[in-house]
Amino acid sequence: QMQLVQSGAEVKKPGVSVKVSCKASGYTFTDYYIHWVRQAPGQGLEWMGWVNPNSGGTSYAQKFQGRVTMTSDTSISTAYMELSSLRFDDTAMYYCVVGVDGTAWFDPWGQGTLITVSS
Amino acid sequence: SYELTQPLSVSVALGQTATINCGGNNIGSKHVHWYQQKPGQAPVLVIYRDSSRPSEIPERFSGSNSGNTDTATLTISTAQAGDEAEYYCQVWDSSSVFGGGTKPTVL
Repeated sequence: QMQLVQSGAEVKKPGVSVKVSCKASGYTFTDYYIHWVRQAPGQGLEWMGWVNPNSGGTSYAQKFQGRVTMTSDTSISTAYMELSSLRFDDTAMYYCVVGVDGTAWFDPWGQGTLITVSS
Repeated sequence: SYELTQPLSVSVALGQTATINCGGNNIGSKHVHWYQQKPGQAPVLVIYRDSSRPSEIPERFSGSNSGNTDTATLTISTAQAGDEAEYYCQVWDSSSVFGGGTKPTVL
């Protein structure tokens, strides 16, 4: 079955960057988009953007434009999300999730990666 | 920007039907998807394209999105204690938008 496994939790200082990986299995990696969604502690879900592993194309939420980069490596069926200039309010659980395309539903979800921004 | 409104909580008696609403301007013109999130876990898709259900989701979960109102609905029939979770609706406008989440309390 389709499965996404994400990299482990990280603690970062303000101003630096973080890169989260998301390894896909159980399907042809280039057949689906990978989206990224984050959830601050005790808060709701926030969409960040997507990468199309087939073309390398990306689309980012306006809020993250200029600060986020989403990429993929088809040779190892892995997607990446890099967020730069980290701020305290970037502390959140970050999920990668499969989407049929750029505007579809999200299924399945990775287990999440907790990024803590702390000085 | 487009907004989705959900009640923070709803109450339902054990074995009865819970209704969770998701309000948005002209939401009937969009496809609505629903997710269930239990504490400490990633969200799980329970309804997609308004009323379609993934094969692993029980038939007790159903969805509707009438074109005549500004409200989409997730219905949980025969509510169980295990249904207590956060439920989020989601649509696409110029970007993906989530509602704020609703937690049903099974009494």
